[in-house]
Amino acid sequence: DGGITQSPKYLFRKEGQNVTLSCEQNLNHDAMYWYRQDPGQGLRLIYYSQIVNDFQKGDIAEGYSVSREKKESFPLTVTSAQKNPTAFYLCASSIGGWDIQYFGAGTRLSVL
Amino acid sequence: GQNIDQPTEMTATEGAIVQINCTYQTSGFNGLFWYQQHAGEAPTFLSYNVLDGLEEKGRFSSFLSRSKGYSYLLLKELQMKDSASYLCAVRDRHGGSQGNLIFGKGTKLSVKP
Repeated sequence: DGGITQSPKYLFRKEGQNVTLSCEQNLNHDAMYWYRQDPGQGLRLIYYSQIVNDFQKGDIAEGYSVSREKKESFPLTVTSAQKNPTAFYLCASSIGGWDIQYFGAGTRLSVL
Repeated sequence: GQNIDQPTEMTATEGAIVQINCTYQTSGFNGLFWYQQHAGEAPTFLSYNVLDGLEEKGRFSSFLSRSKGYSYLLLKELQMKDSASYLCAVRDRHGGSQGNLIFGKGTKLSVKP
């Protein structure tokens, strides 16, 4: 069964803590993306990667970091520098950078 | 700049037809996408338009007019399970996020019995 798996489904962050959200895909897609969704707002792009070992900042990259060491995996770290991390985080992938994007089920991050 | 507008909420009756509009302004239009998102779930791809005209896929159709910066999603024979948010997204070939999608805020559709 091909797809995009995000874990965990729910995550809580303490003050000053870094947390990492997992995104794995077995679709053999080259491109992967991280979006943030807040109530009443459209999806906003955090980071994207067109190919392994390369990634680019999106529109709201401050306070986040990523890595792309494997084609299948694109983890997102929410650092303590991100002062308003509470949101629904969505990972997506596409065959190439100009193709249809398919989404994972999301991780809901809250602050304790 | 880039701007995408769609109505915030709509209500329709089961079995009816509903049209969700999306207007956009971009400097380098390169395609428009519609996604469906049920509350707390992942967006799922519905349709893609890059040329003017109507694309039909079962109960769902999507229309694009590039000269007017306008698209709509048409849902026929509405079912209760169609209650969801519908996201309009435009791909812009210019700018820092070259080729990436710009999303509207979504239209929340409620289908009533």
